[in-house]
Amino acid sequence: DAKTTQPNSMESNEEEPVHLPCNHSTISGTDYIHWYRQLPSQGPEYVIHGLTSNVNNRMASLAIAEDRKSSTLILHRATLRDAAVYYCILPWGSGNTPLVFGKGTRLSVIA
Amino acid sequence: DSGVTQTPKHLITATGQRVTLRCSPRSGDLSVYWYQQSLDQGLQFLIQYYNGEERAKGNILERFSAQQFPDLHSELNLSSLELGDSALYFCASSLGTANEKLFFGSGTQLSVL
Repeated sequence: DAKTTQPNSMESNEEEPVHLPCNHSTISGTDYIHWYRQLPSQGPEYVIHGLTSNVNNRMASLAIAEDRKSSTLILHRATLRDAAVYYCILPWGSGNTPLVFGKGTRLSVIA
Repeated sequence: DSGVTQTPKHLITATGQRVTLRCSPRSGDLSVYWYQQSLDQGLQFLIQYYNGEERAKGNILERFSAQQFPDLHSELNLSSLELGDSALYFCASSLGTANEKLFFGSGTQLSVL
């Protein structure tokens, strides 16, 4: 079972920042927080992952709460191509894989 | 292009039949994962292999089986197919087993009629 809670859907205007929240209150100390997204008719693709510190890459930023019970994926300037389902995932089992996907947040971007 | 190859892209078959889905991981990746995505269940983890050995098992039915071969490609065998098995089946691969990025293939769309 997924160990994260995300809103079912969100909407954003094009070229505005988007903050996608995720709650993971049962996270353990060694669990990395992973984000993937799935564009229409495609397989999921990696976005970002982190443990404790905030993380940045060319696609997004990941802000992790100090108690690690929540995190936020930040898309700095949403484009129409960012419309997708975004999954916040904790590893399943004792190791750090595999990843078990929940329902995710469906992001709509309005031109 | 993720580097993960799945064949076939589409498969149409009848109830009671058996099919085999094939996955070639990215060059150098040792782990292979299988996922099933249906409209009502979302993306479900089925099974993981690492370097030929089963590593983790998820919601995989007894009618389904998988293996990873010495050349690291993997096959997912689905038997005694039912209408409810119609879904998109994804394969993913990663370098190892700890905090690795997963790279997904484009999936095999299975339709059971």
